[in-house]
Amino acid sequence: DAGVIQSPRHEVTEMGQEVTLRCKPISGHDYLFWYRQTMMRGLELLIYFNNNVPIDDSGMPEDRFSAKMPNASFSTLKIQPSEPRDSAVYFCASSFRWAEAFFGQGTRLTVV
Amino acid sequence: AQSVTQLGSHVSVSEGALVLLRCNYSSSVPPYLFWYVQYPNQGLQLLLKYTTGATLVKGINGFEAEFKKSETSFHLTKPSAHMSDAAEYFCAVRAQGGSEKLVFGKGTKLTVNP
Repeated sequence: DAGVIQSPRHEVTEMGQEVTLRCKPISGHDYLFWYRQTMMRGLELLIYFNNNVPIDDSGMPEDRFSAKMPNASFSTLKIQPSEPRDSAVYFCASSFRWAEAFFGQGTRLTVV
Repeated sequence: AQSVTQLGSHVSVSEGALVLLRCNYSSSVPPYLFWYVQYPNQGLQLLLKYTTGATLVKGINGFEAEFKKSETSFHLTKPSAHMSDAAEYFCAVRAQGGSEKLVFGKGTKLTVNP
């Protein structure tokens, strides 16, 4: 398996623009997590899904953030409108049940 | 709800010295515990995990950790540091059969001096 695949690896956008981050989890995994990593706040859990259903989105910072998982092999995290303080590295991870999570390489988002 | 505390955001050791990275957790149900490593500009990679059974677990690159329920700790050790161990290390907890959240500590950046 190729592991968790995230795209794009880098994204630079202007404030106010819509940003969509994509994730393909490992086949057969039933949990998918979205994390945000910054120097100030460390690794924050934004939202996670179980069997494509959002279970806990309490970490989503604002209504500007939304996440979907239309099927078992794809998820998106959308920020609309984006702001400079959204600049961070966003990680997607997947796991099977309560086993360890496997992480993608991350998307480095810069909002100017 | 689970939580993780990593003592020391930065740890510096000499090459060949013992590495000890501290992790304490809080969980209302038996936990699954993990240590991950992150090299610059990369994702997180699993070092080792504790689920059930033996409390001393061995991982990759010569690292090991011991689950101590009485101390709610899961400290990471390596007898002899190597330059290639320089990275950031994250402890994480997940509840067995409870909340499926995977919660991370703030991380400890390890520097290895020649």
